Amino acid sequence: EIVLTQSPATLSLSPGERATLSCRASQRVSSYLAWYQHKPGQAPRLLIYDASIRATGIPVRFSGSGSGTDFTLTISSLEPEDFAVYYCQQRSNWPPTFGQGTRLAIK
Amino acid sequence: EVQMLESGGDLVQPGGSLRLSCAASGFTFDNHAMSWVRQAPGKGLEWVSSVSYSGSNTYYRDSVKGRFSISRDNSKNTLYLQMNSLRAEDTAVYYCAKSPGGGPYSPEYFQDWGRGTLVTVSS
Repeated sequence: EIVLTQSPATLSLSPGERATLSCRASQRVSSYLAWYQHKPGQAPRLLIYDASIRATGIPVRFSGSGSGTDFTLTISSLEPEDFAVYYCQQRSNWPPTFGQGTRLAIK
Repeated sequence: EVQMLESGGDLVQPGGSLRLSCAASGFTFDNHAMSWVRQAPGKGLEWVSSVSYSGSNTYYRDSVKGRFSISRDNSKNTLYLQMNSLRAEDTAVYYCAKSPGGGPYSPEYFQDWGRGTLVTVSS
């Protein structure tokens, strides 16, 4: 099984700042990586798929990059509604796996 | 608008059974693979099982193989998860998730999600 390791575990920033979240895969996943946002009590939301393609309706401040084993989610200027937990997920091999999550907290 | 509504979560004793349902609307259900993803208390997301658009192909994580069974009724736009021999470690919120494609051979992303139903396994 492919293990995804996200860093940092918690990121404390202020609205307006830039957020950079990382995801590292234990083996190459090509570009088959997605990012999700999850808020308590809500459905998770797909943000980015195939490493860099924004899902429908996702604001342009969210961007993804990377391929192979190292990936990054960048939020260019944090809005109050962006504070949540973010997960990466690979679909290169069965079983699909998620990272353990990065909590984006208000500083 | 795509909607998925999970139901069937409950408190059940270890060794017991439960069937979860997910009623889908707002899209052509039988064009899409569907999955169950769970989140244990204080933990991250964990894929459980997937089924192809037709129901012919099913996939399970190792820890639930032989205990859980995924199925779908395309005439009712409904996804199911039959859970038997439940264990404490199965305690989680279970989410129904729609994939962009139909499957059946490769894992997919989870494009749309429901809000989940809570399963608690405890004596």
